[in-house]
Amino acid sequence: EAQVTQNPRYLITVTGKKLTVTCSQNMNHEYMSWYRQDPGLGLRQIYYSMNVEVTDKGDVPEGYKVSRKEKRNFPLILESPSPNQTSLYFCASSDSTGGTEAFFGQGTRLTVV
Amino acid sequence: GNSVTQMEGPVTLSEEAFLTINCTYTATGYPSLFWYVQYPGEGLQLLLKATKADDKGSNKGFEATYRKETTSFHLEKGSVQVSDSAVYFCALSNWNTGNQFYFGTGTSLTVIP
Repeated sequence: EAQVTQNPRYLITVTGKKLTVTCSQNMNHEYMSWYRQDPGLGLRQIYYSMNVEVTDKGDVPEGYKVSRKEKRNFPLILESPSPNQTSLYFCASSDSTGGTEAFFGQGTRLTVV
Repeated sequence: GNSVTQMEGPVTLSEEAFLTINCTYTATGYPSLFWYVQYPGEGLQLLLKATKADDKGSNKGFEATYRKETTSFHLEKGSVQVSDSAVYFCALSNWNTGNQFYFGTGTSLTVIP
């Protein structure tokens, strides 16, 4: 079954404690991205990757890091989380072929206290 | 650049009412257009898509037509059900940005019995 898997689904952490949210896809997609979803602001892209070892900033990259060492994995790293990073996070992947859909993970609800 | 604008919500309708959610886009060339749906507590899933002008995407009674002359992709359903209550996102992808996705802010729909 084609899917994007994020872990964990829920996470509560304290300010400043480094954390990683994992994302893995089994569709051999080149393109992967991270979004955060906040009330009234829709989906905002954090980082994206067009292939292995190729990453670039999205609209709201501050406070986040990513890496793409393997095609299937695209972890999101918060080196020093702050309360304003409390949000719902989604990972997505898509093929580079035009017109194909993006597949989304189930989301990670992060609370930073 | 590429961008999507969709109507503000929330939208509340009675069961069996007609639904329209407006979406307009800005893009160069010939983007592909999508509607995604997010049910409560879940990730985004593709509802329908259209890849060229005058194409009509349809699924689960929802329809949207790719109108290049008005740069629009409005979502319609003739008779909504309570189970259609969700957040709806309009999106585009464009070859000139490596098929990166651009999302609208989402429209929350609540259908009451």
